[in-house]
Amino acid sequence: TQLLEQSPQFLSIQEGENLTVYCNSSSVFSSLQWYRQEPGEGPVLLVTVVTGGEVKKLKRLTFQFGDARKDSSLHITAAQPGDTGLYLCAGVRNFNKFYFGSGTKLNVKP
Amino acid sequence: EAGVVQSPRYKIIEKKQPVAFWCNPISGHNTLYWYRQNLGQGPELLIRYENEEAVDDSQLPKDRFSAERLKGVDSTLKIQPAELGDSAVYLCASSLLAGGSYEQYFGPGTRLTVT
Repeated sequence: TQLLEQSPQFLSIQEGENLTVYCNSSSVFSSLQWYRQEPGEGPVLLVTVVTGGEVKKLKRLTFQFGDARKDSSLHITAAQPGDTGLYLCAGVRNFNKFYFGSGTKLNVKP
Repeated sequence: EAGVVQSPRYKIIEKKQPVAFWCNPISGHNTLYWYRQNLGQGPELLIRYENEEAVDDSQLPKDRFSAERLKGVDSTLKIQPAELGDSAVYLCASSLLAGGSYEQYFGPGTRLTVT
């Protein structure tokens, strides 16, 4: 059983649409990270959120950490084909132990 | 700066055969991780090293899996004997403390197929 559940599992949208990916847990984490993984490559860190309620923006990507530090969301505005990939959230405990979610596979069609 | 290096990138073996994966982390990164990632799933930790010490190997199937990190730099993960269910991508990562939190850097992984 995954400690972190991501939804949706799959998402196929047209270029220009907005989307939100959710990462939920019943456990508290000291921080939460989001990664993007492309086929044949390892995950690449996008952002780390540390404080409950924290919001971070990375160009068209907005990341939010829940007030209770149990959940997080990733919102993409005006998605582009280059955003296609597997999005993974990872909860951090005990300083450097990472628990990955099940992943959201995003496909942005031109 | 070179990233995390893994080899081989692909490996196909028959069940019951042994296999080994090698990882060279980013220079200066003391923490090294081995993960297994099944198709369409998130990575699952197998073992974590702090320098040459294995500090978390609770998820490592010790009957068939072994790992070592001699001199606290590169690392080897071995499976002997391999089973069909071991088919997966094996990822190595190293991490650095930055801004109060650890940032992981992953290698490209080794895709293992057991037939």
